[in-house]
Amino acid sequence: GAVVSQHPSRVICKSGTSVKIECRSLDFQATTMFWYRQFPKQSLMLMATSNEGSKATYEQGVEKDKFLINHASLTLSTLTVTSAHPEDSSFYICSASDQGTGGESYNSPLHFGNGTRLTVT
Amino acid sequence: KNEVEQSPQNLTAQEEEFITINCSYSVGISALHWLQQHPGGGIVSLFMLSSGKKKHGRLIATINIQEKHSSLHITASHPRDSAVYICAVRSFTTNTGNQFYFGTGTSLTVIP
Repeated sequence: GAVVSQHPSRVICKSGTSVKIECRSLDFQATTMFWYRQFPKQSLMLMATSNEGSKATYEQGVEKDKFLINHASLTLSTLTVTSAHPEDSSFYICSASDQGTGGESYNSPLHFGNGTRLTVT
Repeated sequence: KNEVEQSPQNLTAQEEEFITINCSYSVGISALHWLQQHPGGGIVSLFMLSSGKKKHGRLIATINIQEKHSSLHITASHPRDSAVYICAVRSFTTNTGNQFYFGTGTSLTVIP
């Protein structure tokens, strides 16, 4: 089945530094990848939709300058948390669709990475 | 008001019990997903539905588009089914384009 690899699984960084999280589709091409954030005991919150070769679409309330998304190839999307602060500490997860482009990918099965637990000290 | 409501929030069952988790939504949808999240955080997509019923092993998912309701059933539950189950819907409107809404999850514990 389709596999999505997310790296790193855990990261601890100091306040003010930037952290890059990678999301790779290992055996399929993902024209669309999704980035989510999850606070403890809460459900997923979609942050942004990443489309290969174009700018990401951010959800309302998500700072695009704070959370930089790059989807430079059909198998890799990255999320960079810039100038991280303790309130950015959270669980970040990516998912990818392996069918269609644009609107079609919204009705495609989702394949999730294992998530990245970010702690900012 | 949440666009996606799940019930119950927490559920404890004895092994072999039949389990039902419910999901109601208030938006027009193009697809509904049932997700399983284990304690380590990893998420598995169990089902994607736009109509009718799907079955995979001991898991069954149904959706009633007219009533805007979906159920996830687990037959002959097992401790390894213990996880958080999340209902998610994809919706499209001309105003907002494609949107993704998540339920708050149902935490299931199956006791041996």
